[in-house]
Amino acid sequence: QVKLLQSGAELVKPGASVKLSCKTSGFTFSTSYMSWLKQVPGPSIEWIGWIYAGDGGTNYNQKFKGKATLTVDKSSSTAYMDLSSLTSEDAAVYFCAGGGIPFAYWGQGTLVTVSS
Amino acid sequence: DIVMTQSPSSLAVSAGETVTINCKSSQSLLYSGNQKNYLAWYQQKPGQSPKLLIYWASTRQSGVPDRFIGSGSGTDFTLTISSVQAEDLAIYYCQQYYDTPYTFGAGTKLELK
Repeated sequence: QVKLLQSGAELVKPGASVKLSCKTSGFTFSTSYMSWLKQVPGPSIEWIGWIYAGDGGTNYNQKFKGKATLTVDKSSSTAYMDLSSLTSEDAAVYFCAGGGIPFAYWGQGTLVTVSS
Repeated sequence: DIVMTQSPSSLAVSAGETVTINCKSSQSLLYSGNQKNYLAWYQQKPGQSPKLLIYWASTRQSGVPDRFIGSGSGTDFTLTISSVQAEDLAIYYCQQYYDTPYTFGAGTKLELK
């Protein structure tokens, strides 16, 4: 059974950074593309980028370059996303998605709130 | 970026009706090398993650009921839900994976009449 378990909700101050995690099981992580997506009320979904767990290669949406950094830890089958210099525009639910493209497997989402 | 335009934005239906959701892309999603359309459909219920329903424009994901039918090619695509059930009330998104950045439509909200 495929599972993607994301870290809990975050309340962060403007200008701060946050690191989200996505622990996976039930599929071969080391040869998977792990994507991250952003959803704001509207509703709309934006693809942030993917990382290939095999070699750490990345492909970012130009809009999120400099904002998001994707990494993986193959030993624990976990994907991470760092979000930097947070503003109110970054408040959203962030999803990880794995198993390839299109996105067959999703995490439950992490709510990021930006507030002082 | 490829722009995905969905219509309508919302749809009120009665149980048992057949509904059609449209999705148009700003450029063709048909790759000539394999004659596949790089178009997917997702269903999202309140408080849940999106669920993949259809890929390659018309292939149902494992476990998806056959009342969900994807069709279309090139730039124009349709998701048809026959005999809508209460459990189908959700927001439906189309998404292109022909080129990065992958992009989604704005969604179609299916509501009960």
